[in-house]
Amino acid sequence: DGGITQSPKYLFRKEGQNVTLSCEQNLNHDAMYWYRQDPGQGLRLIYYSQIVNDFQKGDIAEGYSVSREKKESFPLTVTSAQKNPTAFYLCASSMRPLTSGGLNEQYFGPGTRLTVT
Amino acid sequence: AQSVTQPDIHITVSEGASLELRCNYSYGATPYLFWYVQSPGQGLQLLLKYFSGDTLVQGIKGFEAEFKRSQSSFNLRKPSVHWSDAAEYFCAVGSGNMLTFGGGTRLMVKP
Repeated sequence: DGGITQSPKYLFRKEGQNVTLSCEQNLNHDAMYWYRQDPGQGLRLIYYSQIVNDFQKGDIAEGYSVSREKKESFPLTVTSAQKNPTAFYLCASSMRPLTSGGLNEQYFGPGTRLTVT
Repeated sequence: AQSVTQPDIHITVSEGASLELRCNYSYGATPYLFWYVQSPGQGLQLLLKYFSGDTLVQGIKGFEAEFKRSQSSFNLRKPSVHWSDAAEYFCAVGSGNMLTFGGGTRLMVKP
């Protein structure tokens, strides 16, 4: 079955600790994304990667870091610098568009709920 | 910059009644538009998308949406709601492989 997996589903950490969220896809997609979801605020883009070994900041990148060493994997680290890390984190992937300015739909993983106390 | 507004935060409908969820977007060119659905604690599932062509788009689970350029809208409709449709619905506009999401509309279904 092709899809996106995120682990773990629930994650608990103490304040001041870094934590890494896993995202793996077997859809052979080039592009991958990380979103943060807070109640009533929709999804906000943290980081995205269009190709291996390359990634760009999204709208709310401060306090987060990513790596893209393999096409299938795009882990997100929530650092101690993130002031309000408790949230639901969603990973997504998509095919690269065939034309400049084009777009393909994004496929989402099941999410990881992070609670920091 | 592109933006999406979903004016209704919560909507309650009776099972079997019709449904329309509103979505207004701001984008300079022809937009790529999407509707996603999210069940509690889950990821997002694509309901339908509009890229070009026919402005009435059919999706999964009996949903449809109509693109109206003059009104900058992409409203989601379903003629008869089922209890299993209770979820949160997100409209999104995209360009260059990037999506901007609205704040979502939570749908509750009364028996």
